[in-house]
Amino acid sequence: DAGVTQSPTHLIKTRGQHVTLRCSPISGHKSVSWYQQVLGQGPQFIFQYYEKEERGRGNFPDRFSARQFPNYSSELNVNALLLGDSALYLCASSLGWDSFSYEQYFGPGTRLTVT
Amino acid sequence: DAKTTQPPSMDCAEGRAANLPCNHSTISGNEYVYWYRQIHSQGPQYIIHGLKNNETNEMASLIITEDRKSSTLILPHATLRDTAVYYCIVRAFEYGNKLVFGAGTILRVKS
Repeated sequence: DAGVTQSPTHLIKTRGQHVTLRCSPISGHKSVSWYQQVLGQGPQFIFQYYEKEERGRGNFPDRFSARQFPNYSSELNVNALLLGDSALYLCASSLGWDSFSYEQYFGPGTRLTVT
Repeated sequence: DAKTTQPPSMDCAEGRAANLPCNHSTISGNEYVYWYRQIHSQGPQYIIHGLKNNETNEMASLIITEDRKSSTLILPHATLRDTAVYYCIVRAFEYGNKLVFGAGTILRVKS
């Protein structure tokens, strides 16, 4: 079975530009979460979506937005990129919102570099 | 979110048990202890979780103290492939799928 897939793998953008990152969850999983991991730090929670609805948001500015599609895939959008947005962006999928008894499966991430 | 404290790094000899400690002195009664690890350039991987009883699976064992203020992840026979950053996370039902990662412990397994 395919795991969580993310695209693109790597991306280089210029300050002020906009970026869209994509995530396809494991088949059958309905929840997707996004995390930002700056070099040398642990991942930081950005968003959680379940059944196309936002179920949680971390402490990130409004430049960050996301959405989930009917097929449960998801996009993370970042506007007006700053140098500090350079990071590994991770997507995680799980069966449900309250997936307490289930694991979250992380994708390999998208490495974003802002110059 | 309850805070966790882990040593920044640890070394372990290949084939020996790796014991990774975690302090979570402010943990609430409804919060579980989760462990994830992240091998270089990969996404985090779930290892194990528990509430108050000790837990064991094919990857590791989790020992939680009786007062639940600390726990230890045990990798019984560490291999070079276990070299990774290990994260101890406390998590409650109402957090949904949100995971709050700290800095973790870098475990280096050496031959």
